[in-house]
Amino acid sequence: DQQVKQNSPSLSVQEGRISILNCDYTNSMFDYFLWYKKYPAEGPTFLISISSIKDKNEDGRFTVFLNKSAKHLSLHIVPSQPGDSAVYFCAASGSTNAGKSTFGDGTTLTVKP
Amino acid sequence: DTGVSQNPRHKITKRGQNVTFRCDPISEHNRLYWYRQTLGQGPEFLTYFQNEAQLEKSRLLSDRFSAERPKGSFSTLEIQRTEQGDSAMYLCASSPSGTVYGYTFGSGTRLTVV
Repeated sequence: DQQVKQNSPSLSVQEGRISILNCDYTNSMFDYFLWYKKYPAEGPTFLISISSIKDKNEDGRFTVFLNKSAKHLSLHIVPSQPGDSAVYFCAASGSTNAGKSTFGDGTTLTVKP
Repeated sequence: DTGVSQNPRHKITKRGQNVTFRCDPISEHNRLYWYRQTLGQGPEFLTYFQNEAQLEKSRLLSDRFSAERPKGSFSTLEIQRTEQGDSAMYLCASSPSGTVYGYTFGSGTRLTVV
């Protein structure tokens, strides 16, 4: 039973365009959602988060949208750059669970110059 | 602070041997997590500590796995009687306590059981 799902294993976009990465979750107890980026041979790096009391959080080129009724979140990267090419993981946490996160299987983003 | 440090980076061991990995978290972080990642999958939770107390252990973790965090500083993860299915990347992460924060991950220890 996978509680956090990223249904697209890969995504390819042109430099300068928008990248949209999607994530779905099933557990209603999740109230914090996070995105991580991972380059080869490195551990994941925290990118951006959102709590369930918000529906949008923005940080520079990165924006995360949360639709609680649909149990869906997305990460928008605008404009996309070749250096954004990496594996992106969606993660979900319950604030009553001391920050333990459940991860999706990742989406590999390729940004073409 | 140099971030989260994990040693060794790579470990090759024969089936049936015991292995131990070390994680040095960011010194101000109270929480320390161990995750396991296999190819094509996301990190899978193993266990976590709040200071020196181990507060949760995954049901998926067999009794061959044990973790410690003496004095709430570094942590060790030991796998006894390794099996080929234990081959994976073992990731350590740390975070402050109080609410949900993004983790700071180490670069991981890649275990290969032959």
